[in-house]
Amino acid sequence: DTGVSQDPRHKITKRGQNVTFRCDPISEHNRLYWYRQTLGQGPEFLTYFQNEAQLEKSRLLSDRFSAERPKGSFSTLEIQRTEQGDSAMYLCASSFRKRARTNTGELFFGEGSRLTVL
Amino acid sequence: QQPVQSPQAVILREGEDAVINCSSSKALYSVHWYRQKHGEAPVFLMILLKGGEQKGHDKISASFNEKKQQSSLYLTASQLSYSGTYFCGTEGGSNYKLTFGKGTLLTVNP
Repeated sequence: DTGVSQDPRHKITKRGQNVTFRCDPISEHNRLYWYRQTLGQGPEFLTYFQNEAQLEKSRLLSDRFSAERPKGSFSTLEIQRTEQGDSAMYLCASSFRKRARTNTGELFFGEGSRLTVL
Repeated sequence: QQPVQSPQAVILREGEDAVINCSSSKALYSVHWYRQKHGEAPVFLMILLKGGEQKGHDKISASFNEKKQQSSLYLTASQLSYSGTYFCGTEGGSNYKLTFGKGTLLTVNP
């Protein structure tokens, strides 16, 4: 297993378009996180899954953002009606945690999907 | 609430030591440290759980003072490979996600 992979690595879109990012976690990992990172900032939490259940979503996220993790494997993050403020690096990370309500543990990050909204 | 890191940036010569601090205004269950090189994904360094433990990883170690809600990362005899941005991530008792600081840019010169 080569780690967490994300696709596409780069996406340029026009304002108002929809975009979707995919994350494939490390195969035995049951927890998956989405973070967003802008230049000069630390990763900002968006949402996380334990298996296929989405357990938390940031209050900062508008309804334009949605994430899924069907069957508890890969995950997708969709942004509808993109805005210029959505331009950022979208990072996916995975870990293995036995129980749903427990601390994060060591995160393995993917290299991210960079979104540019024109 | 986002933890506060200091300093924002530090420049070292190879072989010098550095300390990076991370503080939170909320009670913490754990503190995590990651390093991110330019254009790459953050890479895990270590986790410290409440209990005031200190951990080490090669010449990089860290401490966690849960009473003060502070953690410090110690880099000794720095190497060129230590260059990058260091982030602390904090986690509260009932939060199961990391809140990252803004990072500390460390540059090690020959």
